[in-house]
Amino acid sequence: AQSVSQHNHHVILSEAASLELGCNYSYGGTVNLFWYVQYPGQHLQLLLKYFSGDPLVKGIKGFEAEFIKSKFSFNLRKPSVQWSDTAEYFCAVKRHDYKLSFGAGTTVTVRA
Amino acid sequence: GAVVSQHPSWVICKSGTSVKIECRSLDFQATTMFWYRQFPKQSLMLMATSNEGSKATYEQGVEKDKFLINHASLTLSTLTVTSAHPEDSSFYICSARGSGTSYNEQFFGPGTRLTVL
Repeated sequence: AQSVSQHNHHVILSEAASLELGCNYSYGGTVNLFWYVQYPGQHLQLLLKYFSGDPLVKGIKGFEAEFIKSKFSFNLRKPSVQWSDTAEYFCAVKRHDYKLSFGAGTTVTVRA
Repeated sequence: GAVVSQHPSWVICKSGTSVKIECRSLDFQATTMFWYRQFPKQSLMLMATSNEGSKATYEQGVEKDKFLINHASLTLSTLTVTSAHPEDSSFYICSARGSGTSYNEQFFGPGTRLTVL
């Protein structure tokens, strides 16, 4: 079965700090990978996605993620966070049947 | 583009009643829609896959008679929670699989918060 692991349950950091959220998946085939963000009281929004090509993916709001096939990882990064980045972040893998498997999510709290 | 809406955004009902939640793809046709459930501070759990014109397929452990899904058109899927009980209280989210170059993506609705008293 395909699974997604997010290592950090809750991350607290100050504005301007750098952020890295870990995501590992277990699936041996071709993968499509996603990072979604859910701001308080709002719906899921796509931050970025990886299908193929350059393993370093740029997303919206200054986020990027790196696909490392040998490590089965797709970690999310942002060099300098803002208070408005406070949200829940979900990593997801698209299965062969087009269903998404989500990680447990990471709550990010940015202190002003 | 690729906007998905849900209605209602929240609903409160008495135990034993049924509640219908609508999911619409506003600017594209979606042959496949998905229904998720999200408990507070937890991840999204896929409940079922809704295919236009055919029966929904349910994930293991999801009661199909409890959560009725109908995908009658290319832009509308409905989830009916039958004889709702307090344990059914949750945040229900739908998504629609994109078309054309976006067929590998899902576009999410804003969710419906169900509270069963």
